[in-house]
Amino acid sequence: AQSVSQHNHHVILSEAASLELGCNYSYGGTVNLFWYVQYPGQHLQLLLKYFSGDPLVKGIKGFEAEFIKSKFSFNLRKPSVQWSDTAEYFCAVNNAGNMLTFGGGTRLMVKP
Amino acid sequence: NAGVTQTPKFQVLKTGQSMTLQCAQDMNHNSMYWYRQDPGMGLRLIYYSASEGTTDKGEVPNGYNVSRLNKREFSLRLESAAPSQTSVYFCASSDQPSYNEQFFGPGTRLTVL
Repeated sequence: AQSVSQHNHHVILSEAASLELGCNYSYGGTVNLFWYVQYPGQHLQLLLKYFSGDPLVKGIKGFEAEFIKSKFSFNLRKPSVQWSDTAEYFCAVNNAGNMLTFGGGTRLMVKP
Repeated sequence: NAGVTQTPKFQVLKTGQSMTLQCAQDMNHNSMYWYRQDPGMGLRLIYYSASEGTTDKGEVPNGYNVSRLNKREFSLRLESAAPSQTSVYFCASSDQPSYNEQFFGPGTRLTVL
C-alpha cells in the first residue's frame, strides 16, 4: 500500500527564518502530489500541487515545493516565514486512482 | 457559494449510540469523500463516492456506512459508536476523483464516551 511520511512532526521557527518540510512517499509509478495547510480552527486548504512538468512548483503565500522523483520526495519550502504561517501542513499523494494518501502532518509554530 | 458544509460542528455520543454526519457541496462536484483526522496520523479516508450512485471503501471503513443521497449530499453514519471513533471528521469534494484539488468542509468534532 502507498504510504506518505512527514518526518518533522513539530517545527518551531522564528519569523524570517527559512522553512523546509520533508515529504517522502512510497509509490513508484506516476503520482500527483499536494501540500495542504490547516490554520488553527480552520479547514484544510490547498497550498500547491504537482501533476507534471516543471518539478519546482510555486503555490500561494510564497510557498514552493520541489518534486525529486529519484528520491520519492516533495519537500515544501518558504524562504522567510511569518507568524501567520503557524499551522499544520499535510503532504498528500495520489497515484492516479481515487484515493489521496495523507502524511501524518507537521505542526509549524512561528514565534514573532 | 458556501463550498462544502458539514453538520453538526460538535457532537458527544455515548458508546452504542448512532448518528449521521451530513455533508453537502454546492460546486457541482462529482466526487465526495469522508476522512477522519487523528493526532499524528494525518487524514485517513473512510469512504468515498467517485460519482453519484457509487460508493467505495477507503482505508478505515469499519464501523461506518455512507449514503450518496444525490450529487450534492454525502452522509456518514455510525451505527453503534465506539470510543475509538472519537475524532474530527472532514468531508471533501472534487471535480474528478483525486486528480484535482479536494475542497474540504469545516469538520465535525465527535467525542464518544
